[in-house]
Amino acid sequence: KAGVTQTPRYLIKTRGQQVTLSCSPISGHRSVSWYQQTPGQGLQFLFEYFSETQRNKGNFPGRFSGRQFSNSRSEMNVSTLELGDSALYLCASSLSGEQFFGPGTRLTVL
Amino acid sequence: SQQGEEDPQALSIQEGENATMNCSYKTSINNLQWYRQNSGRGLVHLILIRSNEREKHSGRLRVTLDTSKKSSSLLITASRAADTASYFCATAVNSGGSNYKLTFGKGTLLTVNP
Repeated sequence: KAGVTQTPRYLIKTRGQQVTLSCSPISGHRSVSWYQQTPGQGLQFLFEYFSETQRNKGNFPGRFSGRQFSNSRSEMNVSTLELGDSALYLCASSLSGEQFFGPGTRLTVL
Repeated sequence: SQQGEEDPQALSIQEGENATMNCSYKTSINNLQWYRQNSGRGLVHLILIRSNEREKHSGRLRVTLDTSKKSSSLLITASRAADTASYFCATAVNSGGSNYKLTFGKGTLLTVNP
């Protein structure tokens, strides 16, 4: 089975722009979660989607949003980028508890 | 907020030695999971232990869970240079009908010297 894939792998944006990241889960997995990893804050939960519905949300501002499509693929969007949004964004899919992570998208905001 | 806190923050050992990492958490959990991350890459799932389990093994890995002390430990036996990585514990609690919201600790950086 193919693993979780994330695109793009690297991204450079400037302050004020918006960005969309994509995640394709393992086939058959219906839950997709997103995490942000920074040196200062570590790994933080953004949100989780299941069957196109957001089930959980972390403590991030409304500039961070996401969605899930009927094929379980998910996207997250960050609007009005700030320097502090520079991070590794990880997506994980799950079937029964264990979460399988993709390689991440490294976002740099200049 | 951090639920799990790993100890030590960094650990350096020689190949062949055992490595033990500890994790403490604050609230009741559904399960606790350990992950490995190599140099800023994606996380690799190592082992999941449910709140009603006390010990689990997987190859050279042994995980224990003490819910009364709200703590867990990960033991890697006969370590190899390839085990060099950051190790994270993550706790899952029931939320919104799901137990897929993980709260991670800051991690332990393990260096295995050849």
